[in-house]
Amino acid sequence: DARVTQTPRHKVTEMGQEVTMRCQPILGHNTVFWYRQTMMQGLELLAYFRNRAPLDDSGMPKDRFSAEMPDATLATLKIQPSEPRDSAVYFCASGHFAGLLHFGNGTRLTVT
Amino acid sequence: GESVGLHLPTLSVQEGDNSIINCAYSNSASDYFIWYKQESGKGPQFIIDIRSNMDKRQGQRVTVLLNKTVKHLSLQIAATQPGDSAVYFCAENIQSGTGNQFYFGTGTSLTVIP
Repeated sequence: DARVTQTPRHKVTEMGQEVTMRCQPILGHNTVFWYRQTMMQGLELLAYFRNRAPLDDSGMPKDRFSAEMPDATLATLKIQPSEPRDSAVYFCASGHFAGLLHFGNGTRLTVT
Repeated sequence: GESVGLHLPTLSVQEGDNSIINCAYSNSASDYFIWYKQESGKGPQFIIDIRSNMDKRQGQRVTVLLNKTVKHLSLQIAATQPGDSAVYFCAENIQSGTGNQFYFGTGTSLTVIP
């Protein structure tokens, strides 16, 4: 089964450090989404790419978060500097335009 | 963002009984809906979807009902099994000038009692 791969699965870091999360979308999918999941907010959309171009990143704190797709096989989400309130599970999902999303198993981030 | 909400945050059912999980959505322009199941430590997994030109769709042991008049979506699970215990999310797809976006409800935790 083709699947979305996210690395690392877990990340513990200290406040102020840079965090980079990576996602390998399913081959052939042309949309990539980044979501953040917390108990309080549920699944929040952070950024959305179509054909590697960012279409919507309005859910992302611009001063510290950045999302990119250097190529079709890699999407990255960076936080610099990280803060304790960034602790959450970050999910990447990919799909065909207007089609269902396939999710990775997430990166659990803990910022101390 | 758009509002997608679930009526019940938790649901407990006896093994073998049927489960019904409800979802309300607010945007009448939503044209595609998906139910996801999320188990502990994993990402949401697709269960079933339905487009707005339908009002019912059936899968294996699952049925999704869509009532566009009242903007309501439900997931019915027949003969619920312990493996069905998970958090269930509904998601609505809204197409805009920037493309399609999926908005998720807060989730319902289903516990199946053996």
